[in-house]
Amino acid sequence: KNQVEQSPQSLIILEGKNCTLQCNYTVSPFSNLRWYKQDTGRGPVSLTIMTFSENTKSNGRYTATLDADTKQSSLHITASQLSDSASYICVVSARGNNRLAFGKGNQVVVIP
Amino acid sequence: DSGVTQTPKHLITATGQRVTLRCSPRSGDLSVYWYQQSLDQGLQFLIQYYNGEERAKGNILERFSAQQFPDLHSELNLSSLELGDSALYFCASSATSGSFEQFFGPGTRLTVL
Repeated sequence: KNQVEQSPQSLIILEGKNCTLQCNYTVSPFSNLRWYKQDTGRGPVSLTIMTFSENTKSNGRYTATLDADTKQSSLHITASQLSDSASYICVVSARGNNRLAFGKGNQVVVIP
Repeated sequence: DSGVTQTPKHLITATGQRVTLRCSPRSGDLSVYWYQQSLDQGLQFLIQYYNGEERAKGNILERFSAQQFPDLHSELNLSSLELGDSALYFCASSATSGSFEQFFGPGTRLTVL
């Protein structure tokens, strides 16, 4: 079983609308959680990184939240733009090793 | 632009062949990571090098090998290629051996026919 589960698998939203992506993880002990944006055929680009003590972090129209007790994170996209069409990948790092656990991504398509 | 470069951008080859993918990390980064991303699959960690030495190993097949050279660039060698090896191969780099912040390259798309 994957240590990082993301939902929904795919999402279509209208330009200008908001959306929220979910990430549940079982990685333990927890070190940090990051959200990446990956455009089709390109390398992932970091959006946010949160450690255990942080429960929210913003990067422009992207806001990530973290609940380390329930092992859940969300990524909220505000006032979506066509350029937000991408895969959003949740990545969790365990304390004490260099391994990262990757979710399969939320595929977001923004339509005009 | 992440500062990580990968060559070639695209590679088409036949089953049974051997290929080498190249990665140059960001200036100053000592760690290099290799990932495989198949169609509709998440990123799969293959292997990590830190300052020339292997640091961590993931789901890397025995037909695959990698190395990091003194100038810190890295190469991923894929041999006895199979159709299922067709994928995007990403290299990422970070400043230290800890994986706190990784910067990804643009990837190499490998197609095995």
